[in-house]
Amino acid sequence: DTGVSQDPRHKITKRGQNVTFRCDPISEHNRLYWYRQTLGQGPEFLTYFQNEAQLEKSRLLSDRFSAERPKGSFSTLEIQRTEQGDSAMYLCASSQQGLSPMRKLFFGSGTQLSVL
Amino acid sequence: AQSVSQHNHHVILSEAASLELGCNYSYGGTVNLFWYVQYPGQHLQLLLKYFSGDPLVKGIKGFEAEFIKSKFSFNLRKPSVQWSDTAEYFCAVEYGNKLVFGAGTILRVKS
Repeated sequence: DTGVSQDPRHKITKRGQNVTFRCDPISEHNRLYWYRQTLGQGPEFLTYFQNEAQLEKSRLLSDRFSAERPKGSFSTLEIQRTEQGDSAMYLCASSQQGLSPMRKLFFGSGTQLSVL
Repeated sequence: AQSVSQHNHHVILSEAASLELGCNYSYGGTVNLFWYVQYPGQHLQLLLKYFSGDPLVKGIKGFEAEFIKSKFSFNLRKPSVQWSDTAEYFCAVEYGNKLVFGAGTILRVKS
């Protein structure tokens, strides 16, 4: 179990630039989740995949956000035309589909985005 | 929509003091409940979970939580905290295919 890996750990960008984050889940996990966490708040759900299918998106996920999981393994989260309000920690988590995937949900260390 | 409330955002305790962190959720149906912990510089880790059965759930590192359905609560407790318990603690409820988290409680234990 190598854990959930996220890259990069930190990203500083200027307002208006596009950024892309990568998440590598635990290898046998077919569910992958993206969350966003801002200072003083708990993680907020953005979207999740089962294999390569994106099954749910939060209303928090504006049109500037897009997530993919093309081969059902790693996932990318892209933010276009970043805004200062996008500054947050972006967390990825993975689990195995089953009776309750939440039983064993593993989080990565996150990507801290700062938009200047 | 489901929501989770954590009563205190910051808690400061001395070592060996007892800990209780409050958590209330809004959903009235069958719930699966969780406490996660995030130590400084580390990722979120599962502390304990409740799915069914005994409402008193024991987790890692001496933590326990009690599910009280009538009060929509799932409070976290530890009889005697250690300096190493300094962390942020999140209560969460499973809702649909995701977890809904509270805002977190930052615990600082003074040695």
